[in-house]
Amino acid sequence: KAGVTQTPRYLIKTRGQQVTLSCSPISGHRSVSWYQQTPGQGLQFLFEYFSETQRNKGNFPGRFSGRQFSNSRSEMNVSTLELGDSALYLCASSLERKSSPLHFGNGTRLTVT
Amino acid sequence: QKEVEQDPGPLSVPEGAIVSLNCTYSNSAFQYFMWYRQYSRKGPELLMYTYSSGNKEDGRFTAQVDKSSKYISLFIRDSQPSDSATYLCAMSDSGGSNYKLTFGKGTLLTVNP
Repeated sequence: KAGVTQTPRYLIKTRGQQVTLSCSPISGHRSVSWYQQTPGQGLQFLFEYFSETQRNKGNFPGRFSGRQFSNSRSEMNVSTLELGDSALYLCASSLERKSSPLHFGNGTRLTVT
Repeated sequence: QKEVEQDPGPLSVPEGAIVSLNCTYSNSAFQYFMWYRQYSRKGPELLMYTYSSGNKEDGRFTAQVDKSSKYISLFIRDSQPSDSATYLCAMSDSGGSNYKLTFGKGTLLTVNP
């Protein structure tokens, strides 16, 4: 079974631009979560989607948003990019929302210059 | 006080050694405990997934959870150079409406041949 697929793997953007990252979960998985990983803060929860609805949101500004499609695929968008948004963005999927472990993709490395 | 504390290391051991990795936490609501392994330029890979207190063994890996002490451990027996990676502990509470993982910062492990 294919794992979680994230595209693109690498992205370089300029301050003020916006970016969209894509995630395809493991087949049959219905919950998709997004995390930001930086050397200073480690892995931090961004948001979780289930049945095309955002169920949880972490402590990030409104510039960070996402959505989930009917096939469970998900996208996250960051508008008005700041230098501090440079990070590895990880998508994870799970079969259900509860009592089900998360499986991560290899991430999208975003660099903001 | 951070919710999850993990010694960042780095930890360097000779091949064949027993490795002990640990995390402490403060949130008594945590019920699910995980260990992830992350190689450079890759996403976290799930190693162990446990619920509540006790031990779980999988090959060379043993996970221990002591909820009374708010302390979890991962033991690696007969460590191999291929075990060289960052190890992340993660945990979540049992509330379905708040399903998200809280991670430790990770411990960098190097196993020397």
